[in-house]
Amino acid sequence: EADIYQTPRYLVIGTGKKITLECSQTMGHDKMYWYQQDPGMELHLIHYSYGVNSTEKGDLSSESTVSRIRTEHFPLTLESARPSHTSQYLCASSDRAGADTQYFGPGTRLTVL
Amino acid sequence: AQSVTQPDIHITVSEGASLELRCNYSYGATPYLFWYVQSPGQGLQLLLKYFSGDTLVQGIKGFEAEFKRSQSSFNLRKPSVHWSDAAEYFCAVGGEAAGNKLTFGGGTRVLVKP
Repeated sequence: EADIYQTPRYLVIGTGKKITLECSQTMGHDKMYWYQQDPGMELHLIHYSYGVNSTEKGDLSSESTVSRIRTEHFPLTLESARPSHTSQYLCASSDRAGADTQYFGPGTRLTVL
Repeated sequence: AQSVTQPDIHITVSEGASLELRCNYSYGATPYLFWYVQSPGQGLQLLLKYFSGDTLVQGIKGFEAEFKRSQSSFNLRKPSVHWSDAAEYFCAVGGEAAGNKLTFGGGTRVLVKP
């Protein structure tokens, strides 16, 4: 099973601030994902990466951006946060074995005032 | 396009009673199917998965699920619920045809009565 970490766990910031949500995994998984989840709702894929220097947008349009410079690290950045960005952000990773089973981090709950 | 439907938004069950959560999927090829559990404020934990072989899959925490291709279903069951099973449960479908990206259902929130 993957060890996957997200920081910060909780973040409250003002409108217009630039933020970066960190996600790291220690299992050497090629694939990594970012999901957005509103309280009590389903998960929506916003970004994914199949390896270093590979990033793609997911099914849900997002103003955030991502980068994948190292295998283990997949940060998500919002250049100018708005209240509409308030949500929980979940990071996941998977490997090629076992049907690309995704393993999730604990999430970052973002509140933009 | 792939999709997942979890018809029950909330289920309340008494501790010690059995639990069944329904999941119906739509996928144009051989599906990979997953059940995850999420406690409040936490990430998702994998309960079990199906991608080939025996259609009855055993998972962690005493859960099992049965893949029924003819009904496009992957229902989750537990014979005797514990108070710690109160959580949100998500069914997901993916597969090689979709680049192994997952589509999640809307979730079912399980409440456990003492």
